[in-house]
Amino acid sequence: GQNIDQPTEMTATEGAIVQINCTYQTSGFNGLFWYQQHAGEAPTFLSYNVLDGLEEKGRFSSFLSRSKGYSYLLLKELQMKDSASYLCAVMDSNYQLIWGAGTKLIIKP
Amino acid sequence: GAVVSQHPSRVICKSGTSVKIECRSLDFQATTMFWYRQFPKQSLMLMATSNEGSKATYEQGVEKDKFLINHASLTLSTLTVTSAHPEDSSFYICSARDAASGIYEQYFGPGTRLTVT
Repeated sequence: GQNIDQPTEMTATEGAIVQINCTYQTSGFNGLFWYQQHAGEAPTFLSYNVLDGLEEKGRFSSFLSRSKGYSYLLLKELQMKDSASYLCAVMDSNYQLIWGAGTKLIIKP
Repeated sequence: GAVVSQHPSRVICKSGTSVKIECRSLDFQATTMFWYRQFPKQSLMLMATSNEGSKATYEQGVEKDKFLINHASLTLSTLTVTSAHPEDSSFYICSARDAASGIYEQYFGPGTRLTVT
């Protein structure tokens, strides 16, 4: 079966760095997405990786290793507004998104 | 660009009635739209995939007669929850693929909070 694993909850301090990991087992791979979702709102797109390596976009970076079925989202210089759930999703061979359960990130001052 | 709207944002209805939710792509043509449901503290659950002009493909366990999906144009898809019950109360989110930008982009609407009393 298809499976996406990510931690349920993480806590970090304002101004610090946090890494949210995601491992996956899917039937085919057409890219991995990270989305941010604030409570009561729809997800917003953060990043897309289809090749191995690190993609940097401002304070957020996303890494992919296809051979290991592994990705991480790195958030730097954490701000209180970064408190949200972070969803990892993999696009399978049918171009369907398979979603992880999300990681709730709590930022403390 | 790539904005998706949903209407209504919140709706409260009585048990046994039907509710229609609209999903519109405002500045692009969406050949494919997706409908998700999300219960509190849970991840997104794909309900169905709809392609313009054809019948929707429902995920296993989703009743097609209860959740009617119509994708009549390249900018509009509707989800009708028929004979709603309290257990249908959830956050319903649509997303759309931009046909012009390729297969990877998927943009989400703001969601509709349905409460069935």
